Amino acid sequence: DAKTTQPTSMDCAEGRAANLPCNHSTISGNEYVYWYRQIHSQGPQYIIHGLKNNETNEMASLIITEDRKSSTLILPHATLRDTAVYYCIVSPMNYGGSQGNLIFGKGTKLSVKP
Amino acid sequence: DTGVSQNPRHKITKRGQNVTFRCDPISEHNRLYWYRQTLGQGPEFLTYFQNEAQLEKSRLLSDRFSAERPKGSFSTLEIQRTEQGDSAMYLCASSLYEAFFGQGTRLTVV
Repeated sequence: DAKTTQPTSMDCAEGRAANLPCNHSTISGNEYVYWYRQIHSQGPQYIIHGLKNNETNEMASLIITEDRKSSTLILPHATLRDTAVYYCIVSPMNYGGSQGNLIFGKGTKLSVKP
Repeated sequence: DTGVSQNPRHKITKRGQNVTFRCDPISEHNRLYWYRQTLGQGPEFLTYFQNEAQLEKSRLLSDRFSAERPKGSFSTLEIQRTEQGDSAMYLCASSLYEAFFGQGTRLTVV
């Protein structure tokens, strides 16, 4: 079973920041937080991951609480193309740096509206 | 290299027939994963390979399912004696660090 809890759905106005929460209260010390998204009928797309520090890349920012029990994915200026299901996953990093198997939940369906 | 490639994209088969899907990972990615996804659900892990070795199988992978990754490059997933419950999207991913997914093969068993 997935070790994360996410809201089923969220709406966001185009151009505004989308803040997607995720609870992972049973996360282990060696587990990373990964975010993927899946646009309808496509394969999941990697967004970002982190261990305990906040992370930012060209797609999004990841804010992880100090106790690591929750995190928030931030899309700073949502567009209509960001409409997708967003998955928050916790998974260990394997020897050599490769991520472990991903256990997906049902994710959050984000709808960006004009 | 344009990413993980899966073929075919769509497959319709009659119940009881065997089907085989192919996955070509991103070059130099040593790990390859297979997932299955049904409507409204997140992807479910089936199995993964480290190079040519199959290291883990999910309990979802019944004895009708078999996966291979000869020479640690492309992989095939075969389903024998297909059942209607096998209808799903079959996703392949590869990783060196983060996993990148292909677009999937949608199987419909009629």
